[in-house]
Amino acid sequence: ETGVTQSPTHLIKTRGQQVTLRCSSQSGHNTVSWYQQALGQGPQFIFQYYREEENGRGNFPPRFSGLQFPNYSSELNVNALELDDSALYLCASSLGLAGTSYEQYFGPGTRLTVT
Amino acid sequence: AQSVTQLGSHVSVSEGALVLLRCNYSSSVPPYLFWYVQYPNQGLQLLLKYTTGATLVKGINGFEAEFKKSETSFHLTKPSAHMSDAAEYFCAVRRGGGSNYKLTFGKGTLLTVNP
Repeated sequence: ETGVTQSPTHLIKTRGQQVTLRCSSQSGHNTVSWYQQALGQGPQFIFQYYREEENGRGNFPPRFSGLQFPNYSSELNVNALELDDSALYLCASSLGLAGTSYEQYFGPGTRLTVT
Repeated sequence: AQSVTQLGSHVSVSEGALVLLRCNYSSSVPPYLFWYVQYPNQGLQLLLKYTTGATLVKGINGFEAEFKKSETSFHLTKPSAHMSDAAEYFCAVRRGGGSNYKLTFGKGTLLTVNP
């Protein structure tokens, strides 16, 4: 069984640029959630995708967008990068609809630095 | 809305001593509660969860937690600390049932284990 993988591991971007982060969900999982973890903080929910459709969104501006593909892998896109976007971005996959008790399995994260 | 408060951003114990990490939650509906561990430069690993049923839950690596509704608490304990337990620990809450899907995390507690 393959776990959740994310790419790239590290990324350095300049303010105003755009970035795409990628996530492959655990085998058999159809739901992907994205979280932002700033230094010294707990993860903050960005959004979730279930079967290629957005299934909920946290308090993040529209320049944070996402996609889920038929194989349930996912992308997180951030436009017009700001210095405060520097963080560890975590992807988590799970099986089933919202409202179940299924655990979310996290990937190792992508460390984004905006200069 | 749900929220989580972790008391103590840093806890230091001696090897072999009791580990107690505190978590209090706020939820307007019965919650699902989780403890995750994060080792340096890694993603989050689920230690244990409470959904329904028995209020004392056992997890991996000898950790356990007790759901106390009257105290709105879900403290994490381990009878005897090991050096390998040194990591950051996050308590998280999710609305039980319904369609609320996101995990809300506390700010984390860094556990240091001294030889």
